[in-house]
Amino acid sequence: DQQVKQNSPSLSVQEGRISILNCDYTNSMFDYFLWYKKYPAEGPTFLISISSIKDKNEDGRFTVFLNKSAKHLSLHIVPSQPGDSAVYFCAARSGGSNYKLTFGKGTLLTVNP
Amino acid sequence: DAGVIQSPRHEVTEMGQEVTLRCKPISGHNSLFWYRQTMMRGLELLIYFNNNVPIDDSGMPEDRFSAKMPNASFSTLKIQPSEPRDSAVYFCASSLVTEQFFGPGTRLTVL
Repeated sequence: DQQVKQNSPSLSVQEGRISILNCDYTNSMFDYFLWYKKYPAEGPTFLISISSIKDKNEDGRFTVFLNKSAKHLSLHIVPSQPGDSAVYFCAARSGGSNYKLTFGKGTLLTVNP
Repeated sequence: DAGVIQSPRHEVTEMGQEVTLRCKPISGHNSLFWYRQTMMRGLELLIYFNNNVPIDDSGMPEDRFSAKMPNASFSTLKIQPSEPRDSAVYFCASSLVTEQFFGPGTRLTVL
């Protein structure tokens, strides 16, 4: 069973517009959520995170929103740039000292000039 | 910092051969993770170590897979014997707290 789901395999956006990437989870024990970005032939790189005690975290052009009641989080990129074109993974951690992360399958974002 | 280092970057081998993937984590990190990425299953955790001790190996597909971490600066993932369905990109990651830092991956092709 997939505990972290990214239902959109791909998303295409115009440069300068907003990109919204979505992620749903099923495990209510998840207490920390992360987004990773991955370029071809490279490993995923950490982008932004949010604790379950918050509903929003912002870092420059990137904002993550968490809706615990809906078990849903989203990543907003504003404004989108061609260099943002990559695969974005949502990941979640169960509570406690266990640092294991569960990843979604990723969404390929393409930002068109 | 050099980041997580993996070798080799690419490996092509024939079915039945032994394959060893290597990883050097970021200095000071106390957790190390091995992942496998495929189109079908996405990024799946195979095994992770904390302070060089294997904590969770429930993701290791079968007995053909084994992993070791003899010290804080080195880990190996071995597949013996390898099969075509093992073809994938294998990532190593390390962490001190929750955020994991990934290596560039090893692309394994088993013919």
